[in-house]
Amino acid sequence: GNSVTQMEGPVTLSEEAFLTINCTYTATGYPSLFWYVQYPGEGLQLLLKATKADDKGSNKGFEATYRKETTSFHLEKGSVQVSDSAVYFCALSNSAGNQFYFGTGTSLTVIP
Amino acid sequence: SAVISQKPSRDICQRGTSLTIQCQVDSQVTMMFWYRQQPGQSLTLIATANQGSEATYESGFVIDKFPISRPNLTFSTLTVSNMSPEDSSIYLCSGQGANYGYTFGSGTRLTVV
Repeated sequence: GNSVTQMEGPVTLSEEAFLTINCTYTATGYPSLFWYVQYPGEGLQLLLKATKADDKGSNKGFEATYRKETTSFHLEKGSVQVSDSAVYFCALSNSAGNQFYFGTGTSLTVIP
Repeated sequence: SAVISQKPSRDICQRGTSLTIQCQVDSQVTMMFWYRQQPGQSLTLIATANQGSEATYESGFVIDKFPISRPNLTFSTLTVSNMSPEDSSIYLCSGQGANYGYTFGSGTRLTVV
């Protein structure tokens, strides 16, 4: 079946540090992969996505590459800011596009 | 991508009562979903809201507890019935259109006392 395994948190980083949040998946067919962000007190927002192998999604300095060979979609940012403090969810949609699978979320706190 | 307006954004309810959450999309979406996010946990899919027919519920969720309506391609409601403190969660709707990925409402933070 389909599933997403996401690095457990919480993660605490100093401002301007490098961020990696690991995400691996199990899927049949050709899934699409997503990173969502949930800022405190708000709903989910799409951060970036990739729909096929070797695609790189990027937004707001974050990026993730769809690696079929390692079934991974790790989120990275070169220099985090305090405003990046949030919970990040890795997610997968199945080939048919009618089902979604979420990771457990990784809480990130960036301290000045 | 589409924008989903979800309301209420939060509510505090007495146990035994019911709350209906509404989601309005600014364009037609092919599929709509309802999720629950319990404190400290990830999202759990409650059901797929089907336009003009009964919703499709995931294991552990039943229509009597979470009745869902979807009268057209841009609107859906979820009712949390006969609430107990265990129903305290964030409830989220999402929609998928033909040309974009999923988009989410801003969530409803429900506290049952």
